[in-house]
Amino acid sequence: AQKITQTQPGMFVQEKEAVTLDCTYDTSDPSYGLFWYKQPSSGEMIFLIYQGSYDQQNATEGRYSLNFQKARKSANLVISASQLGDSAMYFCASSGGGADGLTFGKGTHLIIQP
Amino acid sequence: GAGVSQSPRYKVAKRGQDVALRCDPISGHVSLFWYQQALGQGPEFLTYFQNEAQLDKSGLPSDRFFAERPEGSVSTLKIQRTQQEDSAVYLCASSLEPARRDTQYFGPGTRLTVL
Repeated sequence: AQKITQTQPGMFVQEKEAVTLDCTYDTSDPSYGLFWYKQPSSGEMIFLIYQGSYDQQNATEGRYSLNFQKARKSANLVISASQLGDSAMYFCASSGGGADGLTFGKGTHLIIQP
Repeated sequence: GAGVSQSPRYKVAKRGQDVALRCDPISGHVSLFWYQQALGQGPEFLTYFQNEAQLDKSGLPSDRFFAERPEGSVSTLKIQRTQQEDSAVYLCASSLEPARRDTQYFGPGTRLTVL
């Protein structure tokens, strides 16, 4: 079974600063995927970024990048130049390990302050 | 195009009532997933469909939970004889490819409150 650990229940960050959200994973499966989702107060899970276990380069999508350190089993999300609209819950998730569904962490509540 | 839609967005049920939650996936998406999200937690997998076939129902918490996708498009999650512990947000997701190969896109969820 896979396990996702997000150790930051909440974070406060000043607007325009960069922020790193931590995620570590535990899997014995050599093939897996790592995802980050944003969940604003409206409740919808918004896909942000994906990293495959065999990808050589770190994934990037606009202001989002994934700092993938395979040996450490970490997949931290970096948001550059944070904006007020980035305030939300952020979930790290993984696929693979024999499961059809995604395995999610408990999330980090990010609050961007003006 | 349109994303995943779910209805109703909010549902209040008295304990013991049956409820039905609907999911309309993105058109053409092969895979459909249901998740349960308790307050303050991450979503937890309930069940997975590939087209009309329910290939994985390992996450359904009890035999009171039943899901179907008869024509390989719209899906319904039914909960019989609801109990207070069923109160949660139920999220539906779809992906273009079979499970484990593709990104899942989520709907807005249905918030179920059982009194």
